[in-house]
Amino acid sequence: NAGVTQTPKFQVLKTGQSMTLQCAQDMNHEYMSWYRQDPGMGLRLIHYSVGAGITDQGEVPNGYNVSRSTTEDFPLRLLSAAPSQTSVYFCASSQGSRQYFGPGTRLTVT
Amino acid sequence: GQQLNQSPQSMFIQEGEDVSMNCTSSSIFNTWLWYKQDPGEGPVLLIALYKAGELTSNGRLTAQFGTTRKDSFLNISASIPSDVGIYFCAGHLVYGGSQGNLIFGKGTKLSVKP
Repeated sequence: NAGVTQTPKFQVLKTGQSMTLQCAQDMNHEYMSWYRQDPGMGLRLIHYSVGAGITDQGEVPNGYNVSRSTTEDFPLRLLSAAPSQTSVYFCASSQGSRQYFGPGTRLTVT
Repeated sequence: GQQLNQSPQSMFIQEGEDVSMNCTSSSIFNTWLWYKQDPGEGPVLLIALYKAGELTSNGRLTAQFGTTRKDSFLNISASIPSDVGIYFCAGHLVYGGSQGNLIFGKGTKLSVKP
């Protein structure tokens, strides 16, 4: 099993550009989530999904969209990137209480 | 939102020393998890705790689920250089929050003493 995979590893965007961060898991987990990690802030939940077709907002959802058309994939979309979205983004999946993280995407918005 | 207070924020270790860190909250948790994050990597699950008073070890790491269900502790014995990194506590609330959502502490950064 590859576990949780994320692409790209690094990305630089200009303000106003859009992009999609990809996340996939091969563990057949129902629950998937997106976090952002900023210095001194720990991990903050952006959006989550309890199964295909079901998504909900986390703590910091503004500026981000998600969809869950399959169990395996949970992409995160930035429709109009802003410098405040410069961060490291982690995708995670879980079955039960144990959550497993991907390697992260480091995004810089200039 | 819900808060987990993790302390210390940072600490320096010398090889061979024991290390302790903890997380506290005003809310009750039904699960506590401890993660380690190396630079440029995602957090990796170290230990999961499921009931009050539970004490669980993973090699040189020992974690405890506090009896009040509002706190948890992680100890690292005889630290080695590869213990350096950021340690996060996380928990599932008993009341409030959404199913599956973890609340994270802000991390304890372990560095090597200069």
